[in-house]
Parts: sequence; C-alpha cells; structure tokens
Amino acid sequence: QVQLQESGPGLVKPSETLSLTCTVSGDSIKNFYWSWIRQPPGKGLEWIGYIYYSGSTNYNPSLKSRVTISVDTSKNQFSLKLSSVTAADTAVYYCARRRDDFDYWGQGTLVTVSS
Amino acid sequence: DIQMTQSPSSLSASVGDRVTITCRASQSISTYLNWYQQKPGKAPKLLIYAASSLQSGVPSRFRGSGSGTDFTLTISSLQPEDFATYYCQQSYSTLALTFGGGTKVEMK
Repeated sequence: QVQLQESGPGLVKPSETLSLTCTVSGDSIKNFYWSWIRQPPGKGLEWIGYIYYSGSTNYNPSLKSRVTISVDTSKNQFSLKLSSVTAADTAVYYCARRRDDFDYWGQGTLVTVSS
Repeated sequence: DIQMTQSPSSLSASVGDRVTITCRASQSISTYLNWYQQKPGKAPKLLIYAASSLQSGVPSRFRGSGSGTDFTLTISSLQPEDFATYYCQQSYSTLALTFGGGTKVEMK
C-alpha cells in the first residue's frame, strides 16, 4: 500500500522559507512523478509543482519564482521549499503521487505564516 | 493556463437523489479530466480518471462522462457518505495543472 507523509514546521515567519518533506513508503520514488498541492483554509486546491526521480521539475507559473522541489532517492523522499512567504501562503500542504491524476495523497500538513 | 469552472458551487440533496456536477474547461482537454472527493479535514480522494474511468475501490454509483470542454460527474443515488466537496482537475496541460473551484454537496 502506497503511503505518503508530509513533515516540517507548522509555523513560518513572513519573508522566510517554508520547507516540507514528503516520505514515500510502499513504492519506489523512481516509479512516478511526485507533486505538491496546497489548499488555503476554506478554499480550493492549487497545484504547486512536481518532480521526477531524475530531478526534472515543473512548477506552477504563478509560484515558479519562489518554489524549489527536490528529490532524495536514497531516502525515498521529496521536498518543497517556498521562499519569501506571506500570509497568503498559509495553507494545508499535500504531497501526492502523480500519474495523469493524483492517485495517492498524504494526509496534509497545515503551515501557518505568521510572526 | 487552462481554467476549470465547476457548477454549481454548492447544492443541497437528499439521500437517494441523483446528483450531477458539471466541469467546463476553457479549452479542449480531450479526456484529460479527473474527479476528486474531499471530506472535511481529509485529503482529496481520486474517484474518476481520464474522464470516465472509475478508480479502484470507488462505488459504481459514481460515473464520469464528457470530452473536449464539458464534463459531468454523476452520483446515481446519493449515499450519506457522499456528502463532501468534489473537484475536477485537468491533466492535459502538464506544464500547468489546474483544479476547478469545487462543488460542495450538502444535505437538504
């Protein structure tokens, strides 16, 4: 059974960098693309970007200047960094496995941007 | 970016009702359309992929249809566990994946 688990700080100060890691179990990270998606409180879903195990990435154009997604195949993990955060980046952040769809998701982690 | 517009944004229905949710793409996306169900405090769950293929383990009362720009998710007989928010998502433009705004299905 494929499982994904997000981890990282739940509180980030404005202007700093948000950092999250997703640990994948039950599947090799080399088999698919892996993605980050976020959801502000009470709002809809926003795709952030995805990565392949080779390191090839693709990012949402609206976030591209601030986003970096990386992969660590030795740990079966991939990570998200979002720089220069503001209150508008407060959201539940999900990691997910991407085929053409997103078939497996982590439980999500709430990240609040506040001083 | 391809814009995905869902309608209605919310609806009220009773157990046993037939429910239809519509998703419209701003340009043709063939059948690169997926549907998700999300319950409060939970991650979205994939229901339908490639417009009409039922994800493993999803009840057959869920049906997806459409191609091009217009798509529909139908729940043939609404069950108590189906009260949730539903999202469509296009995977045609892999450089800019986008979701619809969601449709909340509430109890009448």
